[in-house]
Amino acid sequence: DAKTTQPNSMESNEEEPVHLPCNHSTISGTDYIHWYRQLPSQGPEYVIHGLTSNVNNRMASLAIAEDRKSSTLILHRATLRDAAVYYCILISGNTGKLIFGQGTTLQVKP
Amino acid sequence: DAGITQSPRHKVTETGTPVTLRCHQTENHRYMYWYRQDPGHGLRLIHYSYGVKDTDKGEVSDGYSVSRSKTEDFLLTLESATSSQTSVYFCAIRFDLSSGNTIYFGEGSWLTVV
Repeated sequence: DAKTTQPNSMESNEEEPVHLPCNHSTISGTDYIHWYRQLPSQGPEYVIHGLTSNVNNRMASLAIAEDRKSSTLILHRATLRDAAVYYCILISGNTGKLIFGQGTTLQVKP
Repeated sequence: DAGITQSPRHKVTETGTPVTLRCHQTENHRYMYWYRQDPGHGLRLIHYSYGVKDTDKGEVSDGYSVSRSKTEDFLLTLESATSSQTSVYFCAIRFDLSSGNTIYFGEGSWLTVV
């Protein structure tokens, strides 16, 4: 299974943009890039996913490198409620097993 | 709402007793997963299923068994609970390729083994 690498932690100020990086150099052509986040005492929740093109939704944007070996989750204006652990994971239709990494703990300062 | 529910949500049990956690889905998705989460360890895969009666082990399967006799239910059993199995357990389902294989998690089951 392809692995992802993320920084352990990041800090941001409230109302500023946040760029959360993820490296996935062993990504295969059928792997979708997914991002999830987990708030304290809650289950992980879906944020965004993409295959090759950049993606936007109401929660965030996903920028995917041209070679697909890295991606960046962009929170345009961080709020205190965005403080969470963010997980980047590759999901393929051919793979049953899904392993999560340690994720990035995002702290948002008021 | 992804149609996934876990039960029980909270349970306290004694060491050595059997415990079964249930994950129920309403939409006939093929893949279902059981994870546990402990402080400092993130999400660790216990077992997963890719169809009725089709299951496989994850990273931390020792002490756990699973069963999937029908599409909608994925059961996690601790045959003889130990204190090291005190944890939060999350079930997850995976949507199909048309939805980008998106995963949805249940709300979690808090298990305490005393």
